Amino acid sequence: RKEVEQDPGPFNVPEGATVAFNCTYSNSASQSFFWYRQDCRKEPKLLMSVYSSGNEDGRFTAQLNRASQYISLLIRDSKLSDSATYLCAWASSARQLTFGSGTQLTVLP
Amino acid sequence: GAVVSQHPSWVICKSGTSVKIECRSLDFQATTMFWYRQFPKQSLMLMATSNEGSKATYEQGVEKDKFLINHASLTLSTLTVTSAHPEDSSFYICSARALAGVLNEQFFGPGTRLTVL
Repeated sequence: RKEVEQDPGPFNVPEGATVAFNCTYSNSASQSFFWYRQDCRKEPKLLMSVYSSGNEDGRFTAQLNRASQYISLLIRDSKLSDSATYLCAWASSARQLTFGSGTQLTVLP
Repeated sequence: GAVVSQHPSWVICKSGTSVKIECRSLDFQATTMFWYRQFPKQSLMLMATSNEGSKATYEQGVEKDKFLINHASLTLSTLTVTSAHPEDSSFYICSARALAGVLNEQFFGPGTRLTVL
C-alpha cells in the first residue's frame, strides 16, 4: 500500500466551480501535512500547510482528519489559473517529505 | 521567499556519460538539502537527504554509487549521475531547508530535466 494515496483525476471543472481533493496517508508517524501546487514541467510550490483545526487562505481551505488519516483541499470559485497538479505531502519527524502522486485539475472557461 | 537555483535546467547526454547537477540556496544557508526524482505523471520520489559536511542518506532502492551526492557547503549540493542510461531520464529536483525558519518548510529548485540518449 502506498504511503500516500491520491485520486489522480483528472478533474475538469468550469470556472467558478467548487472542487475538493482528498488524500489518505497510512503512516501514523506523519507529523506535518501540506498541499503543494505543481505546474507542468515546474517545481512544486507550497500552497498551504494543513492543521487539525483546519485553515483557510482566500479561496482555499485545507483540513486534516487524524482519526481517519486523510487531508483535504477545497477550492472555491475556481479560476483558470488554478489549473495545475495538486500534491499532498506529509513530513516525518526527520522532516523528510513524502508526496502523493498528485491530482490534476483543469478549470475550463 | 527563499530562492533555490539548479543548474543546468536541462541536459541531454549520451548513454554512459556522467552528469553533474548543482543545487544552490541563493539567499539563505541550508543545513539540509533533498534530492528528488520525478518520472512523467508520477509523484516526486525522495532519492537522498544531504547534510552539509556529512555523507548523504539514500532512500531504499537508490544506488549511492550511481547517484553521487556532495554537500560541501551550506549553500551548495551536487548530484552526479554516473554512467547514465536512458532509464535515468527524469526530472531531478532539489530542495533546501533553511538553518533557521519555518519548521519543515522546504524550498524547491526549478528542477533539471535529464534526457539520456
